Amino acid sequence: GQQLNQSPQSMFIQEGEDVSMNCTSSSIFNTWLWYKQDPGEGPVLLIALYKAGELTSNGRLTAQFGITRKDSFLNISASIPSDVGIYFCAGRTVVAAGNKLTFGGGTRVLVKP
Amino acid sequence: DVKVTQSSRYLVKRTGEKVFLECVQDMDHENMFWYRQDPGLGLRLIYFSYDVKMKEKGDIPEGYSVSREKKERFSLILESASTNQTSMYLCASSRAGLAYEQYFGPGTRLTVT
Repeated sequence: GQQLNQSPQSMFIQEGEDVSMNCTSSSIFNTWLWYKQDPGEGPVLLIALYKAGELTSNGRLTAQFGITRKDSFLNISASIPSDVGIYFCAGRTVVAAGNKLTFGGGTRVLVKP
Repeated sequence: DVKVTQSSRYLVKRTGEKVFLECVQDMDHENMFWYRQDPGLGLRLIYFSYDVKMKEKGDIPEGYSVSREKKERFSLILESASTNQTSMYLCASSRAGLAYEQYFGPGTRLTVT
């Protein structure tokens, strides 16, 4: 199936830092979604992007739909301890059936000891 | 708020048992999905459904079946559970049309011994 490469696989954050993660694909996507998953819970939708070049914010989170339509970025500004969790990108390719999404492998965000 | 509920948070079953995982959504969504989540493999789609009594295979349907008798309920069935089906199972729902945003339940952690 389609592959979404998400990086980094994990990262450590220090309170107050800005952090970034991204998702890339060899296929063109017409939708990008970003989710956060807390331990033992289901993923929660953070941001949805539907147009190439679109930049959307949700509080301290900002995500962008890459202009090539093959990538997306998520930034967290002024990180706080509750930002820890796993962040997933998901996308829908232009040829996907119905509402099927492809998910990245996730970026695990941890607090610096 | 969209609410997706799953019948159990934790389940322990023996090899060979028939297992039912239930999912209910209260937002009148047309589409429902079952995923499994394993470390390092991200979310993989097992089955999805566009409408009552309709189902489509996802990427890893082997060993699973589904049932959708009512719009709000989507059941995942393991006909004969095996140890390699030990995983976190996530249900999601979304509206029909161009809104691809999927909303997830809290997950069921299934252990097959």
